[in-house]
Amino acid sequence: QKEVEQNSGPLSVPEGAIASLNCTYSDRVSQSFFWYRQYSGKSPELIMSIYSNGDKEDGRFTAQLNKASQYVSLLIRDSQPSDSATYLCAVNYQAGTALIFGKGTTLSVSS
Amino acid sequence: DGGITQSPKYLFRKEGQNVTLSCEQNLNHDAMYWYRQDPGQGLRLIYYSQIVNDFQKGDIAEGYSVSREKKESFPLTVTSAQKNPTAFYLCASSILGANYGYTFGSGTRLTVV
Repeated sequence: QKEVEQNSGPLSVPEGAIASLNCTYSDRVSQSFFWYRQYSGKSPELIMSIYSNGDKEDGRFTAQLNKASQYVSLLIRDSQPSDSATYLCAVNYQAGTALIFGKGTTLSVSS
Repeated sequence: DGGITQSPKYLFRKEGQNVTLSCEQNLNHDAMYWYRQDPGQGLRLIYYSQIVNDFQKGDIAEGYSVSREKKESFPLTVTSAQKNPTAFYLCASSILGANYGYTFGSGTRLTVV
C-alpha cells in the first residue's frame, strides 16, 4: 500500500514567520509531488508542484524535494493569517494512476 | 471561464436510496477523478477515468458506481450498498500525465438522514 504521511498539526506560527510543512512518501519510484491548500469547508487548490530534487520557489512558497530521503516539504515565508488552512501533500507514483493524498497538516498563523 | 462544476452542493439521502452526484468540466481535460473526504482526513480515491467509456476503481470503490459517456461528464452514484456515505465528495480533472495537478470542483456534501 503506497502511503503519504504528514504531521496533522496544528502547526502554529506568528505572523511574519516561516512555516515549514513536511511530507514523506513510501515508494522510491514516485514521479511528481504536489501541495494543495484547503480552507475549511472548501475544496483543495493547487499551490505548488515539484518533480526534480532541489528547491522550487514561487512567491512566498518554496517546495523542496529529496528523493533519496523520500521527503518533500513546503516553506511559507512571511506567513499571513490568510495562510491559515490545511495543507495537503499529494504524490503521483506512476503515470496512468491517480494522486495519493496525505491527511493534511493544519496551519494556524496568529496576528 | 473554464472550470469544473459539481452539483448539488448539499445532498440528503435516506436509508436505502441511491443518489447521483454530478460533475461537469469544460477544461477539455481527459482525466477525471472522484475522491471522498471525511472530517480530519485526507482524500481517498473512489474512481478515476482517463478516457471516455473507461474507468478504474480506487481504494474505496465498494458501494459506488460511475459512468463516463462524455469527456465532460463523470457522475458518481452512491448506492444503498455504501453503508457510511456521509462525507464531502470532491470531483477533479486533469491533463493526462504524471506531472499535471488537478483542478477540483467545489464539492458535494452528502448526509444520510
